[in-house]
Amino acid sequence: SAVISQKPSRDICQRGTSLTIQCQVDSQVTMMFWYRQQPGQSLTLIATANQGSEATYESGFVIDKFPISRPNLTFSTLTVSNMSPEDSSIYLCSVETTGTELYEQYFGPGTRLTVT
Amino acid sequence: AQKITQTQPGMFVQEKEAVTLDCTYDTSDQSYGLFWYKQPSSGEMIFLIYQGSYDEQNATEGRYSLNFQKARKSANLVISASQLGDSAMYFCAMRGITGGGNKLTFGTGTQLKVEL
Repeated sequence: SAVISQKPSRDICQRGTSLTIQCQVDSQVTMMFWYRQQPGQSLTLIATANQGSEATYESGFVIDKFPISRPNLTFSTLTVSNMSPEDSSIYLCSVETTGTELYEQYFGPGTRLTVT
Repeated sequence: AQKITQTQPGMFVQEKEAVTLDCTYDTSDQSYGLFWYKQPSSGEMIFLIYQGSYDEQNATEGRYSLNFQKARKSANLVISASQLGDSAMYFCAMRGITGGGNKLTFGTGTQLKVEL
């Protein structure tokens, strides 16, 4: 398994501002992902954070709005830029590990964002 | 494309009883993995159990078991001896091992309420 921490755990932000969310893993992992969960909805993948190269974004998500960094194998950041109330969501970092159970995927505790 | 269907938006179960949460899936991948996650009101996503498409035996983890019926494309979660702490949202998810990459596709979730 992997222990994942996220900062901040929650925040209330004004529209038009930006927030950077940090994700730290206690071990080196190959795959890191960022998901969004809008209120009352399921999870949607935003992008795959690639170490040493640009993130791979899913349809409907763009780098200008959700820039991602991944400087090493244990850390990643997601920035939510020029926020609007529609960005109010839980943002979750996720990692894939391999071990006794192949392809296990774990999530961080999430960042609960409210945009006013 | 992959699709997960959870047809039970809400379920009630009495403490100490067993409960089955339904999940059906659709995929063109030959190899895939099926996951169940628990999300309490705090928002974190807790990994419960994983089933690989080529696993011959149903996965079990403590009080959780996955009733995998490949021909029916179903992967129901069975929780035995329900506890009050089991009250949460439960998500079924899948990921293709070939073709689908490492992206997790989630169902819409089932809200489970355990009653005294």
